[in-house]
Amino acid sequence: SQTIHQWPATLVQPVGSPLSLECTVEGTSNPNLYWYRQAAGRGLQLLFYSVGIGQISSEVPQNLSASRPQDRQFILSSKKLLLSDSGFYLCAWSAGTTGNTIYFGEGSWLTVV
Amino acid sequence: AQSVTQLGSHVSVSEGALVLLRCNYSSSVPPYLFWYVQYPNQGLQLLLKYTSAATLVKGINGFEAEFKKSETSFHLTKPSAHMSDAAEYFCAVSVAGGGNKLTFGTGTQLKVEL
Repeated sequence: SQTIHQWPATLVQPVGSPLSLECTVEGTSNPNLYWYRQAAGRGLQLLFYSVGIGQISSEVPQNLSASRPQDRQFILSSKKLLLSDSGFYLCAWSAGTTGNTIYFGEGSWLTVV
Repeated sequence: AQSVTQLGSHVSVSEGALVLLRCNYSSSVPPYLFWYVQYPNQGLQLLLKYTSAATLVKGINGFEAEFKKSETSFHLTKPSAHMSDAAEYFCAVSVAGGGNKLTFGTGTQLKVEL
């Protein structure tokens, strides 16, 4: 069966520091990969979307970037964090066809102080 | 572009009462519709999804939803609420040609009282 792991689960970082959140998927190949951010009262916002290695689509302009160095690895990064980057970050995967279920990881809480 | 509106950011029901969480969508092409549940500090879990087969969709934990094209709605129901149903519920939509990307509503927090 397929599983998705993301880490760290909780992170407290000072303003201006770098960020790296990692996500890996097991039990499938060539998945679509996603990074979502959840802010209080605002639902989930799609940040990045990838259909293959090195193929990243940015959905909103921001202080963050994403990379996909391997087929089942997705990394969310920032060179200098802002206070507004605080939130709950969720990695997710799906098979490629539209309408397929998107499966979410357990999430990472980021607090920028 | 497609969108989802969830009416009521907070819903409170008594244990044993009907649960009704409302979702309306906007899409210029036939949509795929999803309901997810999120327990505190956890990821999202799929409850059910509509993919153009039967309009009444049954999901896990006794939940079901009915796709009504004329009303552009996909409301989530459960006949009898249980304390364990207390969570946040998200409606989401995707469309063909959209790269299997979900657009989410802002969520409804369900509270179940004794």
